[in-house]
Amino acid sequence: KAGVTQTPRYLIKTRGQQVTLSCSPISGHRSVSWYQQTPGQGLQFLFEYFSETQRNKGNFPGRFSGRQFSNSRSEMNVSTLELGDSALYLCASSLGSTRGYNEQFFGPGTRLTVL
Amino acid sequence: SQKIEQNSEALNIQEGKTATLTCNYTNYSPAYLQWYRQDPGRGPVFLLLIRENEKEKRKERLKVTFDTTLKQSLFHITASQPADSATYLCALVDSGYALNFGKGTSLLVTP
Repeated sequence: KAGVTQTPRYLIKTRGQQVTLSCSPISGHRSVSWYQQTPGQGLQFLFEYFSETQRNKGNFPGRFSGRQFSNSRSEMNVSTLELGDSALYLCASSLGSTRGYNEQFFGPGTRLTVL
Repeated sequence: SQKIEQNSEALNIQEGKTATLTCNYTNYSPAYLQWYRQDPGRGPVFLLLIRENEKEKRKERLKVTFDTTLKQSLFHITASQPADSATYLCALVDSGYALNFGKGTSLLVTP
């Protein structure tokens, strides 16, 4: 079974721009979660999608948004980029049938650098 | 506020010894706790999940304990090997079902 894939792997943007990151979950997984990882804050939960609906949201500003498609693929968008948005963005998929219980399968991440 | 605390100092041990990592939490009432391993430049990999009524769980050389009274989980790697060198993260589900991670403890096993 193919693992979670994320594209692109690396991205350089300038302040004020917007960016879209993509995640393809493991086949059969209906839940996709997004995390931001920085050296200072560690791994922080952004949001979770399940069957095309946002099921949970972390404490991030509205500039961070996402969506999930009928094939469970998910995209995350960050608008009006700030320097502090530079981070590793990780996507994780799970079966999602029991909320909070299923193990998360992580992708390799997208390294975003904002200049 | 809710907190998950892991030792921020790296743990250096000699090959063959047992590594013990600690995860303490406050203001959570977790039904289960998860442990993940993360290598540099890669996403975390799930290792173990332990339920609140399972005091201890084992998988090969790994052992996890979960004490809801002390609000603490211990993660042990016995007969450690250099390949075990990585950052280990514990994770708890909050009341909104979001999986929250500690900042992790870096383990270095030297030959």
